Amino acid sequence: DTEVTQTPKHLVMGMTNKKSLKCEQHMGHRAMYWYKQKAKKPPELMFVYSYEKLSINESVPSRFSPECPNSSLLNLHLHALQPEDSALYLCASSQDAGDSAGNTIYFGEGSWLTVV
Amino acid sequence: QQPVQSPQAVILREGEDAVINCSSSKALYSVHWYRQKHGEAPVFLMILLKGGEQKGHEKISASFNEKKQQSSLYLTASQLSYSGTYFCGTEMTGTGGFKTIFGAGTRLFVKA
Repeated sequence: DTEVTQTPKHLVMGMTNKKSLKCEQHMGHRAMYWYKQKAKKPPELMFVYSYEKLSINESVPSRFSPECPNSSLLNLHLHALQPEDSALYLCASSQDAGDSAGNTIYFGEGSWLTVV
Repeated sequence: QQPVQSPQAVILREGEDAVINCSSSKALYSVHWYRQKHGEAPVFLMILLKGGEQKGHEKISASFNEKKQQSSLYLTASQLSYSGTYFCGTEMTGTGGFKTIFGAGTRLFVKA
């Protein structure tokens, strides 16, 4: 069983709505990630937080806003999304990130997002 | 920047073997292998760190040739449970530190 927990499992939202995806890990990991995955495609990196600071933003549109309240929690705030943003959003964590390689990434079960 | 995986898809009968390849045009620090079943999250299989390293996980093993910037995943005596999409992830450095980028995936179907 994954130790990265994501809520909600499914979310349907309108293009004018504001919603949030939540992620929690209790493995003491210092890095957390958001990936986006479309059908039949690989996970695509969006953001990396290292020691609660945003370290990587893969040129993600501002309608996606990440937040890391503490080392165990990661949120993704959603506003004014488009139908093409519909996808599986995967949260993940690793022991460390940033200045060394060899970081195994553990994924949560994902949040299925549908924008109507 | 995305690693290249081959083949795109494989169909096997139970008990047959398969090899999935992953290569990159950039220097690799590590290679990760994941399996994802339909409707589920990717599950970590193994990570390889050193040139020429080979690791095993039950009947699944992998090698990593750092100089050639290639890795291969070996599935022997395949079981029905091996079906899924296999992704290699390559760890590379850039602005902000290390990040893992995934290949397009190899769809594996094992039939009885």
